[in-house]
Amino acid sequence: AQSVSQHNHHVILSEAASLELGCNYSYGGTVNLFWYVQYPGQHLQLLLKYFSGDPLVKGIKGFEAEFIKSKFSFYLRKPSVQWSDTAEYFCASYSGGGADGLTFGKGTHLIIQP
Amino acid sequence: KAGVTQTPRYLIKTRGQQVTLSCSPISGHRSVSWYQQTPGQGLQFLFEYFSETQRNKGNFPGRFSGRQFSNSRSEMNVSTLELGDSALYLCASSSLTGGNEAFFGQGTRLTVV
Repeated sequence: AQSVSQHNHHVILSEAASLELGCNYSYGGTVNLFWYVQYPGQHLQLLLKYFSGDPLVKGIKGFEAEFIKSKFSFYLRKPSVQWSDTAEYFCASYSGGGADGLTFGKGTHLIIQP
Repeated sequence: KAGVTQTPRYLIKTRGQQVTLSCSPISGHRSVSWYQQTPGQGLQFLFEYFSETQRNKGNFPGRFSGRQFSNSRSEMNVSTLELGDSALYLCASSSLTGGNEAFFGQGTRLTVV
């Protein structure tokens, strides 16, 4: 079975700081990768996705991500965070066949302090 | 374009009862997946339906079942409820089976007492 491990459970940053959240996935074959965000009281929203090609992908709300195949890693970044970025962030993977559906990490709780 | 709609939003059931949750996917989406979200286990895949057929199933007991109708709407049923079934149940729809981005609903919060 696949697994996704997120590097941090909790992150606290000040506004305007740069953000980097990382995750590792276990599947060795072709894999699709996603970062989702869950704002307080809201549903999961897709921030960005990586399927193939350029390992640098851009998403919504100023987020971007880097896929590092050699390290089985997927990093979410934002140059300057805002208070409104406070949320739970989930990394997810999907492999061919999809027997496990989307495999999610446990989530990173991000708190942005004004 | 309407999003994924899940009903009801909240449910309280007693141990041993059964429950049915409903999900209406985004118009035109034929794939519907269900996930269970709990504080301890996080988000876990239950099953996926595509064109009325169950395509994949996660590691959950047979008490958890689902189905999909010809209009792509899906229902999930849990029989003989246990306290541990208390969770947020999320439905996601995609335009193609697997791999493509999934759009999630608000979820149904099930509490078993």
